[in-house]
Amino acid sequence: QQQVKQSPQSLIVQKGGISIINCAYENTAFDYFPWYQQFPGKGPALLIAIRPDVSEKKEGRFTISFNKSAKQFSLHIMDSQPGDSATYFCAASRIASNTGKLIFGQGTTLQVKP
Amino acid sequence: KAGVTQTPRYLIKTRGQQVTLSCSPISGHRSVSWYQQTPGQGLQFLFEYFSETQRNKGNFPGRFSGRQFSNSRSEMNVSTLELGDSALYLCASSFGGAPTNEKLFFGSGTQLSVL
Repeated sequence: QQQVKQSPQSLIVQKGGISIINCAYENTAFDYFPWYQQFPGKGPALLIAIRPDVSEKKEGRFTISFNKSAKQFSLHIMDSQPGDSATYFCAASRIASNTGKLIFGQGTTLQVKP
Repeated sequence: KAGVTQTPRYLIKTRGQQVTLSCSPISGHRSVSWYQQTPGQGLQFLFEYFSETQRNKGNFPGRFSGRQFSNSRSEMNVSTLELGDSALYLCASSFGGAPTNEKLFFGSGTQLSVL
């Protein structure tokens, strides 16, 4: 029940295309769903996050879509750029737990071809 | 504002040794979490400290321990190293209180290799 399943494992997109990464969770107690971006040699950096009271959140070219009934959420990167090439992790947590514990998906390596 | 600082950046140890990793959080952050990142298991939560107290612990053996000092700096210790402990160890800091506790800021990690 603590798992977060992420797909695909890797993704290749042409410059200007849309990158879509999907995640599914089991624990209905989760109420915070962030996405992290990680470049080689760096730690993950918070990209965008959503809570279950909204179905979509957009920040620039990055959009999270959230489906509470299906227990799924996804990251859409519009107009993908070579600089977006990185590993993306979805995660989930319970804010009420107040302990900084995130359950991460396995990660998606995105390559954007120029 | 300085980010999360982890030292050392790289570490090579042999089986059976012990190792101590250090993390300095962002100024004003009182919570420090530790994660282990490996290609096979991904990012896994080790433990979290807030105001020098461990608030939560992941599913790792007792060989993995940590502590936090009064200035919020944290150390993680692994005793009796095993080959499988080779990983990138990441430290993350946050303010530590809801609703901001969820925004974790990660350091670049310490790459530990056990030979």
